[in-house]
Amino acid sequence: DAGVIQSPRHEVTEMGQEVTLRCKPISGHNSLFWYRQTMMRGLELLIYFNNNVPIDDSGMPEDRFSAKMPNASFSTLKIQPSEPRDSAVYFCASSTRQPEQYFGPGTRLTVT
Amino acid sequence: QKEVEQNSGPLSVPEGAIASLNCTYSDRGSQSFFWYRQYSGKSPELIMSIYSNGDKEDGRFTAQLNKASQYVSLLIRDSQPSDSATYLCAVYFPGNTPLVFGKGTRLSVIA
Repeated sequence: DAGVIQSPRHEVTEMGQEVTLRCKPISGHNSLFWYRQTMMRGLELLIYFNNNVPIDDSGMPEDRFSAKMPNASFSTLKIQPSEPRDSAVYFCASSTRQPEQYFGPGTRLTVT
Repeated sequence: QKEVEQNSGPLSVPEGAIASLNCTYSDRGSQSFFWYRQYSGKSPELIMSIYSNGDKEDGRFTAQLNKASQYVSLLIRDSQPSDSATYLCAVYFPGNTPLVFGKGTRLSVIA
């Protein structure tokens, strides 16, 4: 079985540009999580979905961040406009009804 | 407040020694506990889960849980340089919320 798939793996963009990160969860998993990881703050939960419905977006840092899950096999995290402080690794993870999560390879975002 | 605390390290151990990684959590009602390993530049990978008090062994890895003390640990026997990574503790708190992760302990196994 394929694991969680994320694209792109690396993104370099200029401040003010729109960035869209993509995630395909493991087939059959009904929960999807977006995380941001930095050296200073560790792994931060941004938002999670159950059965395609956003449950908790309290971790989304600002209105510049938005996430959607139009169907069970696809989710996006969008940053508009991007800022240098958004530079981080963004992970997508998925799970079944069990609590353990399985992570994708991540997207390394650099905003210059 | 749901909190998971880990010493950030680095924890340095010689090759062949036992590495002991520790984690404390804030809610006595927590039921499920997980250890993830994250190599530099890679994503977290689930390596152990434990649900009951006591020890759970899997190869060179042993997870230990003490719910009364709100303490979970991971022992790595016969440590190898390939075990050098950051180890994240994750706790499932009551209330059907997602896992809460600690900030991780960086382990360095010296050959």
